[in-house]
Amino acid sequence: EDQVTQSPEALRLQEGESSSLNCSYTVSGLRGLFWYRQDPGKGPEFLFTLYSAGEEKEKERLKATLTKKESFLHITAPKPEDSATYLCAPLVDRKLIWGLGTSLTVNP
Amino acid sequence: SQTIHQWPATLVQPVGSPLSLECTVEGTSNPNLYWYRQAAGRGLQLLFYSVGIGQISSEVPQNLSASRPQDRQFILSSKKLLLSDSGFYLCAWSALDDNQPQHFGDGTRLSIL
Repeated sequence: EDQVTQSPEALRLQEGESSSLNCSYTVSGLRGLFWYRQDPGKGPEFLFTLYSAGEEKEKERLKATLTKKESFLHITAPKPEDSATYLCAPLVDRKLIWGLGTSLTVNP
Repeated sequence: SQTIHQWPATLVQPVGSPLSLECTVEGTSNPNLYWYRQAAGRGLQLLFYSVGIGQISSEVPQNLSASRPQDRQFILSSKKLLLSDSGFYLCAWSALDDNQPQHFGDGTRLSIL
């Protein structure tokens, strides 16, 4: 059965304190992996797509990486506006397998 | 640029009443369309997806149905709502090509009383 586990469930950082979020997956036939950001009461906002192991994508303070079994979202020098829930979703057979997310809080 | 509209943002309905949620996409043609439900503490659950007008695939057996009367319009319906239908409903679109990201609307918060 396809499974996705995100850790930690919640993370609290001080502004400027870098960290990483983990997305571990066990799926058959990975076609890509997507990262999203979700603010309370809003729909997920697309951040990155990674298609193959070793691939990296960057956007402002965020960098996503992919291996054959997991993906990391690295947050460098976060700001309070980076507070959100971050979701990862491997793409298998045209369908996304969603993790439960990591709730990130960045304190000023 | 492409935009997706979903309404209403919030809805309170009595048990047994009908439901109609609408989603429209602008700025693209022939999109794949999706309906999800997100319950508190749970991941996004895919309810329906559509690759074209009149083509609907159901992922979860339930008392909900979906229709796609136009290329960029997707409707989620129910004849009689249950308490368990409460949740956050999200519509999304993706380009027709495989492996493209899905883009979401702002959702409808549905409360059943």
